[in-house]
Amino acid sequence: SYGLTQPPSVSVSQGQTASIACSGDKLGDKYAFWYQQKPGQSPVLVIYEDAKRPSGIPARFYGSNSGNTATLTISATQAMDEAVYYCQAWDTSTAVVFGGGTRLTVL
Amino acid sequence: EMQLVESGGGLVQPGGSLRLSCGASGLVLSGSWMSWVRQAPGKGLEWVANIDDDGSEKHYVDSVKGRFTVSRDNAKNSLYLQMKNLKAADTAVYYCARCPSNNPQACGFDIWGQGTMVTVSS
Repeated sequence: SYGLTQPPSVSVSQGQTASIACSGDKLGDKYAFWYQQKPGQSPVLVIYEDAKRPSGIPARFYGSNSGNTATLTISATQAMDEAVYYCQAWDTSTAVVFGGGTRLTVL
Repeated sequence: EMQLVESGGGLVQPGGSLRLSCGASGLVLSGSWMSWVRQAPGKGLEWVANIDDDGSEKHYVDSVKGRFTVSRDNAKNSLYLQMKNLKAADTAVYYCARCPSNNPQACGFDIWGQGTMVTVSS
């Protein structure tokens, strides 16, 4: 079955750029989606179809997807960006699949 | 405001059944794929099931096949998840989520409910 792999944690200093990778076999041939989840809250879509931002998501969030890796990049990271981030894709064998999640810590 | 609201969670014994509901306000669910996604305590997101806009196509994660059934009633603007033979491993917050695309390969979830907790324990 298809799987997506994310690092368990990423740390970044406030104001710097954070990058969170999501790897999967030929992930670049699929659409990648990214969600932000803060404690006690439902997930929020922050990137869809690899690199598009829903309305209301700050421009400092951007995504890319090529080869076997999709990347969520957060520039000028703020304390409010501290959360767990999940990638997601669709595969013919497993339908919808989520990555294991990456806890972003803003120092 | 577009909103999804889940209900029907609770405490159930192993082997028991439960039916979750997801109602929508401020948006019409017909025309959209819908999914159930769960999150065990302290764990990540796990997709459970989805259903196409008219209910004719459904998919399930392997661990719930044969036990869970997803359905919808577009006239009632609602989504359901019938869960049978529940196991401790099914303990989780269950979210319903909308995919705004009619192409499942482009399915990201733009609207999520607040979740309903299902606890399977004796």
